[in-house]
Amino acid sequence: RKEVEQDPGPFNVPEGATVAFNCTYSNSASQSFFWYRQDCRKEPKLLMSVYSSGNEDGRFTAQLNRASQYISLLIRDSKLSDSATYLCVVNYNTNAGKSTFGDGTTLTVKP
Amino acid sequence: DAGITQSPRYKITETGRQVTLMCHQTWSHSYMFWYRQDLGHGLRLIYYSAAADITDKGEVPDGYVVSRSKTENFPLTLESATRSQTSVYFCASSGSGTKPYEQYFGPGTRLTVT
Repeated sequence: RKEVEQDPGPFNVPEGATVAFNCTYSNSASQSFFWYRQDCRKEPKLLMSVYSSGNEDGRFTAQLNRASQYISLLIRDSKLSDSATYLCVVNYNTNAGKSTFGDGTTLTVKP
Repeated sequence: DAGITQSPRYKITETGRQVTLMCHQTWSHSYMFWYRQDLGHGLRLIYYSAAADITDKGEVPDGYVVSRSKTENFPLTLESATRSQTSVYFCASSGSGTKPYEQYFGPGTRLTVT
């Protein structure tokens, strides 16, 4: 079993739709959580950190459920420009700073 | 404000040749990482470094060598390139103030081994 698991999708949604992605992690010692966005064959870019109380950044909302060991990303009012692969990332806050990346969920927003 | 840069951006080499990919960051981040991403797959960690002169193996280190004599540089060397090492290589860094675990990636090096 992978340490970080994501539904690979693809998720195909119309513009304006609301879409949610979930990500599960297996190590309960995980401390820091992030969502990254990766456009086709480009570098991953930090979308947002995920805090215990949940957090929102514009149309994006991230939530953490430590008891069930999953994090989620909700995108409201989807735009064509949201089409990308979304990577779930977990860190154990060790001295090495090493994070574990999920394989990503692909989103395509259609007109 | 260059951030994190990689060179070369594209490289074609022949099987058996030695290749070095460069990574440079201007943030004085403590941590640096090398990943490879094969077409249609996720990121796989090759090597990482917690500080200058401290490096450790990741998930797929075989065939690669790293060094980190200066905080800002983290070169990755393919000792004898093989076709299976054809991939996109991303360098990343982290370790800034109150957000030490947010990784920032370079633009990648697209390596083809013929």
